[in-house]
Amino acid sequence: KQEVTQIPAALSVPEGENLVLNCSFTDSAIYNLQWFRQDPGKGLTSLLLIQSSQREQTSGRLNASLDKSSGRSTLYIAASQPGDSATYLCAVISMEYGNKLVFGAGTILRVKS
Amino acid sequence: NAGVMQNPRHLVRRRGQEARLRCSPMKGHSHVYWYRQLPEEGLKFMVYLQKENIIDESGMPKERFSAEFPKEGPSILRIQQVVRGDSAAYFCASSPGTGLSNQPQHFGDGTRLSIL
Repeated sequence: KQEVTQIPAALSVPEGENLVLNCSFTDSAIYNLQWFRQDPGKGLTSLLLIQSSQREQTSGRLNASLDKSSGRSTLYIAASQPGDSATYLCAVISMEYGNKLVFGAGTILRVKS
Repeated sequence: NAGVMQNPRHLVRRRGQEARLRCSPMKGHSHVYWYRQLPEEGLKFMVYLQKENIIDESGMPKERFSAEFPKEGPSILRIQQVVRGDSAAYFCASSPGTGLSNQPQHFGDGTRLSIL
């Protein structure tokens, strides 16, 4: 059974800091890994998708890496801003379980101005 | 709006009533997924549908819950005889029909269901 864990559960940092969010998954046979952002009372916004054959993806101040063999991904946020405050979710699509996303519990990020 | 559209945004029902949640996928997307987010819990997969077919319903409770994605119109998640434990945010996502490994699922803003 695929399980996804995110560490830390919550993080509070001053504006301008670089930060790293961690995601681990138990079954390395995945098609892809997606990072999402969820604002309170809102839906999910897809930030980055890394295919199983890729090692990283970048979008603006965000960089996501994937080490499939060790079952780990990191989301790096550079020069954090108060507008980055949200819950960040990691999810994988496993080869064994088809097209459904298996989510971690998320990291609640607060960037203080 | 080219995104995934869900309605209603908020739905209040009394115990024993029926709840119908609607989802229109992004234009050109033929795959629809429903997820549920219970209070203080993560998102859990419920059901995966293509037009007129249920592909995977392994995450859906066996009783009271059903889903459809007809040839015409939105996908519908139906909950009969609702109970307090059904209170949650229900999210719909869609993806294109091909190249699934490199196609992200795009989510709607969800329907917040409250059971009185």
